[in-house]
Amino acid sequence: ILNVEQSPQSLHVQEGDSTNFTCSFPSSNFYALHWYRWETAKSPEALFVMTLNGDEKKKGRISATLNTKEGYSYLYIKGSQPEDSATYLCAFVEWSNDYKLSFGAGTTVTVRA
Amino acid sequence: DVKVTQSSRYLVKRTGEKVFLECVQDMDHENMFWYRQDPGLGLRLIYFSYDVKMKEKGDIPEGYSVSREKKERFSLILESASTNQTSMYLCASSPQGGASYEQYFGPGTRLTVT
Repeated sequence: ILNVEQSPQSLHVQEGDSTNFTCSFPSSNFYALHWYRWETAKSPEALFVMTLNGDEKKKGRISATLNTKEGYSYLYIKGSQPEDSATYLCAFVEWSNDYKLSFGAGTTVTVRA
Repeated sequence: DVKVTQSSRYLVKRTGEKVFLECVQDMDHENMFWYRQDPGLGLRLIYFSYDVKMKEKGDIPEGYSVSREKKERFSLILESASTNQTSMYLCASSPQGGASYEQYFGPGTRLTVT
C-alpha cells in the first residue's frame, strides 16, 4: 500500500480567509493525482485530476498545484465560505497500477461564519 | 446527471450473516470499484471490475467477494460478516482508460455488524 499523506488532518478557517493544505505522495512512478471533496452526507466529488508536473488547475475559488518531482500537491481555497466545509481527499496513481487510486486520509476543513 | 446509487445508506447485520451491498451506475462506465473508509484512514480499495464478469483484488479483499453480471451493477458480498467489517462502504465508477479519469462515487453504505 502506497504512502499518501495529507496535512493537516483538520483545520478551522474564518469565513473570507484563504487557506491551503498539502498532499504528499511517492515521487517515483507517477501517473496521476486526484483531488476530491467530500461533504457530510454526500458522495465524494471530483475536483481535479492532474497528470503533468507543474500543472495548475482551478475551479471557482479552489485551485491546485502539482510537483511530481518532489511528490506534493497543494490545494488552495480563496475567500473560504461555509459551503467549502468538507473533507478534501487526494489520491495518487502510480504508473504500474494505472487503475488504482491510493487515497490519503483527508483534510477536514471547517469554515466558521 | 451522472448517478451512482447504493442499495442502502445504513445497514445493521449480525455476525456470521451473509451481506450483499449493491451498486448501480447509469453512465455506461466500464470500471467499477468498492472501497471502505475507516476513521483516520484513506479510502481503501477492496475490489474493482473493469468489465462484466471481470474482477481484480484491491488492497484488502480478505473476507469479501464481488459479482458483476451486468455492466451497470457491481455487488459486494460479505460471506460471513464480522465486527471488523463495520465500516463505511463506497462504490465508484469510471470510464475505461485508467485513472486519468475521475471516479464517480455513490453516497456510501454505513454497515454495522453486531
